[in-house]
Amino acid sequence: DAMVIQNPRYQVTQFGKPVTLSCSQTLNHNVMYWYQQKSSQAPKLLFHYYDKDFNNEADTPDNFQSRRPNTSFCFLDIRSPGLGDAAMYLCATSRAQQETQYFGPGTRLLVL
Amino acid sequence: TQLLEQSPQFLSIQEGENLTVYCNSSSVFSSLQWYRQEPGEGPVLLVTVVTGGEVKKLKRLTFQFGDARKDSSLHITAAQPGDTGLYLCAGALNSPDSNYQLIWGAGTKLIIKP
Repeated sequence: DAMVIQNPRYQVTQFGKPVTLSCSQTLNHNVMYWYQQKSSQAPKLLFHYYDKDFNNEADTPDNFQSRRPNTSFCFLDIRSPGLGDAAMYLCATSRAQQETQYFGPGTRLLVL
Repeated sequence: TQLLEQSPQFLSIQEGENLTVYCNSSSVFSSLQWYRQEPGEGPVLLVTVVTGGEVKKLKRLTFQFGDARKDSSLHITAAQPGDTGLYLCAGALNSPDSNYQLIWGAGTKLIIKP
């Protein structure tokens, strides 16, 4: 059974057109993370939520925002996608900070 | 800057051969995870090691955590084409300033040829 679910799996958007990626979890984990991954590189953490507390990485562009309306759901909003934002976006969860992270299947974003 | 050096970055071998992937750091980790990722999918957790000197086995995969919890290795015996993928190590730092962040290795792209 899927534990971390990401929708859609593939997303095509136009340059500058806002896009929202979604993540849900059935693990009841406290922490949810968003990563950006470019081809065959390590995932790069964008931000994470510990419960409702939002923690932004210092080098995450302002173009990237996130919302966590409840424990199960977390959204990644890209306000004005650029060509350089084309990547795989990964959602992960962990029971607590510093504990093992479990990843969703990812959303592949293409910007035209 | 905390680094986790992963090597080799790329490895292409024949089916049946053995291989070892290494992750090394000068930092002490409270735990270290190994993931395998296939193209177009998210990383799948293989193992978490926590105790210095710990050895865990997962079928033909053997994971070892260094005694000082600064390094780890993944050994694959008699590699199969199904082992092909990107292998990632990620360490959790034992520091109050890094209460959430995993330090990631750069990844090892492994190809097993039939």
